[in-house]
Amino acid sequence: QIQLVQSGPELKKPGESLKISCKASGYTFTDYAMQWVKQAPGKGLQYMGWINTQTGKPTYADDFKERFVFSLETSASTAYLQINNLKNEDTATYFCARSQFGVDYFDYWGQGVMVTVSS
Amino acid sequence: QITLTQQAESLWISPGERVSITCRASQSLLYTDGKHYLSWYQQRPGQTTKALIYHASVRTDGVPTRFIGSGSGTEFTLSIEHVQPEDFAIYYCLQTLKSPALTFGSGTKLEIK
Repeated sequence: QIQLVQSGPELKKPGESLKISCKASGYTFTDYAMQWVKQAPGKGLQYMGWINTQTGKPTYADDFKERFVFSLETSASTAYLQINNLKNEDTATYFCARSQFGVDYFDYWGQGVMVTVSS
Repeated sequence: QITLTQQAESLWISPGERVSITCRASQSLLYTDGKHYLSWYQQRPGQTTKALIYHASVRTDGVPTRFIGSGSGTEFTLSIEHVQPEDFAIYYCLQTLKSPALTFGSGTKLEIK
């Protein structure tokens, strides 16, 4: 069955970096795009952008053009989200989600990674 | 950027009742292919987020028929008939018309009355 399994929770200090993973299984990784979504504690969903799994080209939403990096390890069917120079406001759960390249909708989601940034 | 407004932050209903959740877009979500790029998602604690409806009215595989998506242009509704205990969750709409400026609604929490 199709699954997106994300890495475990993270506790970081301001200024540090982190890299979280999203491992896909049950389908051909490069047949679908990978989307990223942020959810701050008690808040709604915020779109971060997506990565083309065929070319590796990332596209970022306006609020995520600095400090955020999407990448791939195609041989491992894994997408990564790296956040540099962490800030307190990066405290959130981060989801990966699959979509067609035409991005009709997000059909499968990862379970989310809780990231806490605190000094 | 397209804004999606889900007016109701919470809705209180009893199991077995029918409920409608609305999502209003700041501009039409109709594309030239005749489809509306509006989808609905369910978020329950401890569960992965689930896609329910896409293109405004198409149920995803395995979604019960009690979930009904409707609407056009800028006004969309997710209706749930005969609400079941497992339906108490948070529901979000998402527009995918303007990539990469996709936007979610603020969410509507369905709570037990």
